[in-house]
Amino acid sequence: ELKVEQNPLFLSMQEGKNYTIYCNYSTTSDRLYWYRQDPGKSLESLFVLLSNGAVKQEGRLMASLDTKARLSTLHITAAVHDLSATYFCAVDRGQGAQKLVFGQGTRLTINP
Amino acid sequence: NAGVTQTPKFQVLKTGQSMTLQCAQDMNHNSMYWYRQDPGMGLRLIYYSASEGTTDKGEVPNGYNVSRLNKREFSLRLESAAPSQTSVYFCASSEPGLGYGYTFGSGTRLTVV
Repeated sequence: ELKVEQNPLFLSMQEGKNYTIYCNYSTTSDRLYWYRQDPGKSLESLFVLLSNGAVKQEGRLMASLDTKARLSTLHITAAVHDLSATYFCAVDRGQGAQKLVFGQGTRLTINP
Repeated sequence: NAGVTQTPKFQVLKTGQSMTLQCAQDMNHNSMYWYRQDPGMGLRLIYYSASEGTTDKGEVPNGYNVSRLNKREFSLRLESAAPSQTSVYFCASSEPGLGYGYTFGSGTRLTVV
């Protein structure tokens, strides 16, 4: 059974600081996705990582995938308040239909 | 705008009542999914449809049924609602071969009293 674990689950940080969210998963997969969710809203796709060593960057966010370690990271550089949200990673089971297994989510709060 | 449309956005049911959540996508995706989101538990797959004409159980299917009406529409039915089904429900669609991941609907916030 595929399990996906994120840490930390809650993160409060100051503007301008750097931090990393970790996503570990339990079985082999080379497809990992990051989503953002604002309070009361739906999930918005951030990054699609489809191979070992994949790195994607968008603004102050950078995501990477290490399939051998079964680990993805979401790095936040010089955080700003607008990045406050809940971030989810999701791993594709790779069995026919694209059944994603989600982590618990990391609630990120960025304080001025 | 292209995307996934869910209705209703909010619903309150009494225990034992039934209802159907509707979902439609206009991206010509083959696969569609229903998830529920509960605090601290991420999203859990209820049912999915890999392609038109097929449906399969996900992680938490008990108490639910689904219908893939056509390629665009995938509905979720609660036959006899229970308080444990109070949750936020998301429909999503994808084209698995492309590897892009899901496009989500806006969600349905369901409360069962």
